[in-house]
Amino acid sequence: QQPVQSPQAVILREGEDAVINCSSSKALYSVHWYRQKHGEAPVFLMILLKGGEQKGHEKISASFNEKKQQSSLYLTASQLSYSGTYFCGTADSNYQLIWGAGTKLIIKP
Amino acid sequence: GAGVSQSPSNKVTEKGKDVELRCDPISGHTALYWYRQSLGQGLEFLIYFQGNSAPDKSGLPSDRFSAERTGGSVSTLTIQRTQQEDSAVYLCASSVGTSGPDTQYFGPGTRLTVL
Repeated sequence: QQPVQSPQAVILREGEDAVINCSSSKALYSVHWYRQKHGEAPVFLMILLKGGEQKGHEKISASFNEKKQQSSLYLTASQLSYSGTYFCGTADSNYQLIWGAGTKLIIKP
Repeated sequence: GAGVSQSPSNKVTEKGKDVELRCDPISGHTALYWYRQSLGQGLEFLIYFQGNSAPDKSGLPSDRFSAERTGGSVSTLTIQRTQQEDSAVYLCASSVGTSGPDTQYFGPGTRLTVL
């Protein structure tokens, strides 16, 4: 079951904050976040393994609520370099990631 | 060290022809994945290799698609009798693969166009 990402797209001014959500109908073992710039391959951002765990990467952080089977990615004081499509991948106890459809983020100066 | 490499970067073929796409994973990575990404869409899982285990082919869309991994390293994805709907970017990723779903490192992809 593909996780649901929301919103599908968001447009921000440089310096604004954004939240991208990823929800699953299945119990999750981990949530993975990747960013893909246009014409490039997806690049790993972070993995969250436990309920309530939070991680940070530059001004990008994420939370994982295992009970609610959802994760949120927080982009603070967005920079132009943050533009791209963000994908979440969810995994149960298996190895295989099921990918969301992506959230397109556009940052304007 | 070198990342995941894929070749060719672009492939244009005629409907009905066979194509082979190659992936060189990061040295030492035991897990290898193939994905397909249509324009503006997400990642569609195709096949997964882990060490010497039998591959998980559950994502292959039809029997025209096959893949092999020789010597636990290089992998080739073959599409027989290509159709226009096969046009997409084919991404390969590898990971250490020692336990559970870990970080996947993606190659640059092969853009396949079927005329």
